[in-house]
Amino acid sequence: EVQLEESGGGLVQPGGSLRLSCAASGFTFSTYWMNWVRQAPGKGLEWVATIKDDGSDQWYADPVKGRFTVSRDSAKRSLYLQMNSLRADDTALYFCARDGITDGLYFDSWGQGTLVTVSS
Amino acid sequence: DIQMTQSPSTLSASVGDRVTITCRASQSISTWLAWYQQKPGKAPKLLIYKASSLESGVPSTFSGSGSGTEFTLTISSLQPDDFATYYCQQYYDYRAHAVTFGGGTKVEIK
Repeated sequence: EVQLEESGGGLVQPGGSLRLSCAASGFTFSTYWMNWVRQAPGKGLEWVATIKDDGSDQWYADPVKGRFTVSRDSAKRSLYLQMNSLRADDTALYFCARDGITDGLYFDSWGQGTLVTVSS
Repeated sequence: DIQMTQSPSTLSASVGDRVTITCRASQSISTWLAWYQQKPGKAPKLLIYKASSLESGVPSTFSGSGSGTEFTLTISSLQPDDFATYYCQQYYDYRAHAVTFGGGTKVEIK
């Protein structure tokens, strides 16, 4: 069974940093592209970042470009999101999601999310 | 970015009803479209990918259709477990365009 478990969320002041982690199990982590998707309280879904299976390339949504960095460690079967210069509008539930098995970038498995709150 | 517009934003229906949700893209996305179901406090669940391919384990009461700029998600006979919010997502040329989601359609009990 595919399992994704996020951690690392919490309360942080504007301008601060936070590092999210996602522990993967139940599948061959090193062969899948991985993603972060967020959801502000009471709002819809927003793609944040994607990293290729070998970590050689990453894509970011414009609102986080230059502030967030996605990385992965296949030996630890883990995905990370380093978030710097956090703003109030980064407040959201952050989901780790696995890329679908066929062509394209859609999300076939999701974690339960970790909540990031940016507030003074 | 490619904008995705869902309609309606809220839908009231009864168990057994046939329900249709529409998603329109601001430009042609071929069939690079997925549909998700989300229940309160839970992660989204993939229902449909490539516009009409049913994800493994998803009931056959769900179906997707469309291409280009207009897409539909149909629930042929609404079940109690289907009351949720549904999102479409485009992934056309994701290297050049950001992946984007529709605003969601909440299916409520009538």
